[in-house]
Amino acid sequence: DIQLTQSPSFLSASVGDRVTITCRASQGISRYLAWYQQKPEKAPNLLIYAASTLQRGVPSRFSGSGSGTEFTLTISSLQPEDFTTYYCQQLNSYPLTFGGGTKVEIK
Amino acid sequence: EVPLLESGGGLVQPGGSLRLSCVASGFTFSSSAMSWVRQSPGKGLEWVSVMSGRDTTTYYADSVKGRFTISRDNSNNTLFLQMSSLRAEDTAIYYCARIGTYVLGAFDIWGQGTMVSVSS
Repeated sequence: DIQLTQSPSFLSASVGDRVTITCRASQGISRYLAWYQQKPEKAPNLLIYAASTLQRGVPSRFSGSGSGTEFTLTISSLQPEDFTTYYCQQLNSYPLTFGGGTKVEIK
Repeated sequence: EVPLLESGGGLVQPGGSLRLSCVASGFTFSSSAMSWVRQSPGKGLEWVSVMSGRDTTTYYADSVKGRFTISRDNSNNTLFLQMSSLRAEDTAIYYCARIGTYVLGAFDIWGQGTMVSVSS
């Protein structure tokens, strides 16, 4: 099974900050990686697929990069609505797996 | 119109069974691969199972293999998850999700979830 390690697990930042979340895969997954945002008591929402393609309707302050085993999600300028939890997911092979999540908190 | 609407959750005793449903609307369900994902209280996301749209190929997480069965009724745009031999660790919100065609397999539509509690 492919393990995904997200870091950090918690991140404290301020409005306007640039933040980066890392997702490392235990083996190469090409670009079969997605990022989701989940707000409290809500279902996850797809932000990025194919490692770097922004889903329709997602603000351009979100961006993704990487391939193989190392990926990043960057928020260029944090907005108040961005303080929530983010997950990566590998879609390369079954069983599909998610990273452990990164909670972005207000400093 | 809610694209995915789950139902069937509830309180069940350990060893019991439950069947979840997910009704789809607003897209071509029969050609869409669909998945179940769960989230235990205060925890992260865990993929559970997937079923393809056309050939009904299925896959399961090891944690549910042999106990859960995914199925679908394309004539009624409904996805199911039959859960048996339930354990306390199966307690979670269960989400159904569509695997998008143009998003390299990512889950582009999610339901609101249905809560399953396994307890005596």
